[in-house]
Amino acid sequence: QSVLTQPPSASGTPGQRVTISCSGSSSNIGSNYVYWYQQLPGTAPKLLIYRNNQRPSGVPDRFSGSKSGTSASLAISGLRSEDEADYYCAAWDDSLSGQVFGGGTKLTVL
Amino acid sequence: QVQLQESGPGLVKPSETLSLTCTVSGGSISSYYWSWIRQPPGKGLEWIGYIYYSGSTNYNPSLKSRVTISVDTSKNQFSLKLSSVTAADTAVYYCAREGVYCSSTSCYREVDYWGQGTLVTVSS
Repeated sequence: QSVLTQPPSASGTPGQRVTISCSGSSSNIGSNYVYWYQQLPGTAPKLLIYRNNQRPSGVPDRFSGSKSGTSASLAISGLRSEDEADYYCAAWDDSLSGQVFGGGTKLTVL
Repeated sequence: QVQLQESGPGLVKPSETLSLTCTVSGGSISSYYWSWIRQPPGKGLEWIGYIYYSGSTNYNPSLKSRVTISVDTSKNQFSLKLSSVTAADTAVYYCAREGVYCSSTSCYREVDYWGQGTLVTVSS
């Protein structure tokens, strides 16, 4: 059981906007930054969003992140077929003194 | 550009010790935290533990009794040992770097580089 809670699946059609939620607690999301990763099959997680809402260079502005209290969201607008992947949220946990992750959300582009 | 590369046996027998090494290139191992993270097939990510370049460590309580992480700064490497493995330890193991970002009020740890991962299967 993952410390951060994500829906196991999400879906949308090309061009749509989809959001993926991530719920935590005061010891992780509530007091630290949230990070989002995209993982394609057979590859390492790729950083998509850092420090709640920052995009690394090369990540399209179709991807955006937000945080409120002990929850966070990843939004993908103008959905494309290549966005089909697993998405993970992550944060530092003060109680654990370590990184915690969500269970992952499998995004399907219909 | 910092690069991390995991190495070690891909097959380990039950009850034996899993040993992996992560080699860091393109930057020094000093002044950073270095982590191991694993992902069982078809499942999510699990933090195993970290080591600071000076040698201080912290482990996930769920694995603490079986985990040892060490660092060799002369070789720019850090290593993972997981003892008494079972099939439940079958996973892709990633090594990663944790940087520290400091705002005006606090400092925060963040994973900024990952290795490509290596699959370790526990089977007789």
